[in-house]
Amino acid sequence: GDSVTQMEGPVTLSEEAFLTINCTYTATGYPSLFWYVQYPGEGLQLLLKATKADDKGSNKGFEATYRKETTSFHLEKGSVQVSDSAVYFCALVNTGNQFYFGTGTSLTVIP
Amino acid sequence: SQTIHQWPATLVQPVGSPLSLECTVEGTSNPNLYWYRQAAGRGLQLLFYSVGIGQISSEVPQNLSASRPQDRQFILSSKKLLLSDSGFYLCAWSVAGNATPLHFGNGTRLTVT
Repeated sequence: GDSVTQMEGPVTLSEEAFLTINCTYTATGYPSLFWYVQYPGEGLQLLLKATKADDKGSNKGFEATYRKETTSFHLEKGSVQVSDSAVYFCALVNTGNQFYFGTGTSLTVIP
Repeated sequence: SQTIHQWPATLVQPVGSPLSLECTVEGTSNPNLYWYRQAAGRGLQLLFYSVGIGQISSEVPQNLSASRPQDRQFILSSKKLLLSDSGFYLCAWSVAGNATPLHFGNGTRLTVT
């Protein structure tokens, strides 16, 4: 069945460091891919999405490219800020409207 | 624009008491609706999803149930809470029929004592 594998956390970075959170997926067909962010005590917010191969989703300085050949959707940001501290979830949805989430990666950015 | 409301934000209930969490969506018709649970430090667990009024699919056998009495209303219930029911409950919706994103409510923090 479909699934998402996300790098284990927690991740701790200094402010202005480069961020990569790895995400790979298993799916039949052509799923849509998403990154969500969850701040403490809140629900998940959609951060970015990509709906087909080679699409690049971007938002708030974060980027992720849909790589079908490597079944990956890694999240990157060139310079993280303290306010980026949160838990990040990779997710996919396929034709059945079933969503599959990774286990989440906790990011802490220290000044 | 579409909005999702989930309440209460926090809830402390004794073991064996009933539970009712409510979720409503505004600004869209016939959404797919979902209940997730997030245990502390863990990922998301899909509990129920619904593609229409009265149509509920259960993903995990447990003492929880869900109902959809109206198109944009989704209720999570229990007759008798267990300690293991503690967690963060999230309601979400998506556009029916398309591989579009999930949109989440702000969640309910449930503590069973």
